[in-house]
Amino acid sequence: KAGVTQTPRYLIKTRGQQVTLSCSPISGHRSVSWYQQTPGQGLQFLFEYFSETQRNKGNFPGRFSGRQFSNSRSEMNVSTLELGDSALYLCASSLDRVGYGYTFGSGTRLTVV
Amino acid sequence: DQQVKQNSPSLSVQEGRISILNCDYTNSMFDYFLWYKKYPAEGPTFLISISSIKDKNEDGRFTVFLNKSAKHLSLHIVPSQPGDSAVYFCAASAQGGSEKLVFGKGTKLTVNP
Repeated sequence: KAGVTQTPRYLIKTRGQQVTLSCSPISGHRSVSWYQQTPGQGLQFLFEYFSETQRNKGNFPGRFSGRQFSNSRSEMNVSTLELGDSALYLCASSLDRVGYGYTFGSGTRLTVV
Repeated sequence: DQQVKQNSPSLSVQEGRISILNCDYTNSMFDYFLWYKKYPAEGPTFLISISSIKDKNEDGRFTVFLNKSAKHLSLHIVPSQPGDSAVYFCAASAQGGSEKLVFGKGTKLTVNP
């Protein structure tokens, strides 16, 4: 079966711009979580969506937002980009429970210049 | 406040020997623990997990040990192979895995031929 698909794979944006990243979960998976990976901080939880509702949220500023569509596809948006937002953004899907059975996508590498 | 700690950023071992990766946690609510492996330019891949009702779980060459009183878990890889060279993340979750995963910062394992 197809895995978790994240698009685009690479992105370069300028400070102050906004960006939207997309994640298509494994078919049948209803939970989608987003993580930010940076060299110094490891994987940090952004938020989790389940059946179009945000179920969990991490400690990120309001510039980071997300949504989930009825087909479970999810998008995350970062507004007013800062240099420190440069990171690998990973999406993970699971059937229902958040932590158990995560499958990660390959990520979107965002570079803010 | 880092709830999951991997104190060794890197580890180097010889092929055929044992690799031991360590992880400590501070949140006593965590009751489900996972190890993920990550290659460059790919998303993390689930390796093995353990529930707090157990103290050991094996899967082939991989064994995870959990010491609840010490809030410590370790991943043993025996025998280590060059293909095991990757970054290993420890993750923890509460509510039997239904809460978000909290990750450590990772340990880069290098297995030398």
